Amino acid sequence: EVQLVESGGGLVQPGRSLRLSCAGSGFSFNDYAMHWVRQAPGKGLEWVAGISWNSGKTDYTDPVKGRFTISRDNAKNSLYLQMNSLRPEDTALYFCAKDVISLGFYYFDNWGQGTLVTVSS
Amino acid sequence: EIVLTQSPGTLSLSPGERATLSCRASQSIISNYLAWYQQKPGQAPRLLIFGASSRATGIPDRFSGSGSGTDFTLTINRLEPEDFAVYYCQQYGYTPLTFGQGTKLEIK
Repeated sequence: EVQLVESGGGLVQPGRSLRLSCAGSGFSFNDYAMHWVRQAPGKGLEWVAGISWNSGKTDYTDPVKGRFTISRDNAKNSLYLQMNSLRPEDTALYFCAKDVISLGFYYFDNWGQGTLVTVSS
Repeated sequence: EIVLTQSPGTLSLSPGERATLSCRASQSIISNYLAWYQQKPGQAPRLLIFGASSRATGIPDRFSGSGSGTDFTLTINRLEPEDFAVYYCQQYGYTPLTFGQGTKLEIK
């Protein structure tokens, strides 16, 4: 059974940093691209960032470019999101999601339960 | 960026009825690279449909997807109580990957 477990969320002041982690199990982690998708309270889904199986390809939604960095450690079956210069509008539940392919960015067949990030003074 | 517009925003139906949800793209989506997800309160989204019309593993056949180009539809036949949820479409033909704003399917 595929499991994705996020951690690292919390309350942080505007302008500060936070690092999210996602631990994957039950599948061959290094065979798939991985993503972060967020959902602001009471709102819809927003793709944040994606990374290919070998970290050779990464991409981001415009609002986070230059502030967020996605990375992975296949030896640890882990995905990360380094979030710098956080803004109140980054407040959301952050989901880790597994892609169905390795190199491109397609759709998500497995999701974690999310970790909540609140940016507020 | 491809904008996906879902309609209606809210759909009120009774169990046993048919639901028809629409997703319209701001430009044609290559190879029908469109997926549908179901999300219930407090839960992560669940993949229903990919490639516009292919059901994901374990999805009942009362769920079906159709469409091409810019217009896509998710149809749910014979609504069950557990089908009342929010539904999102997502395109994966281009980055940034984008989602529609969602359609809430509620019990009438």
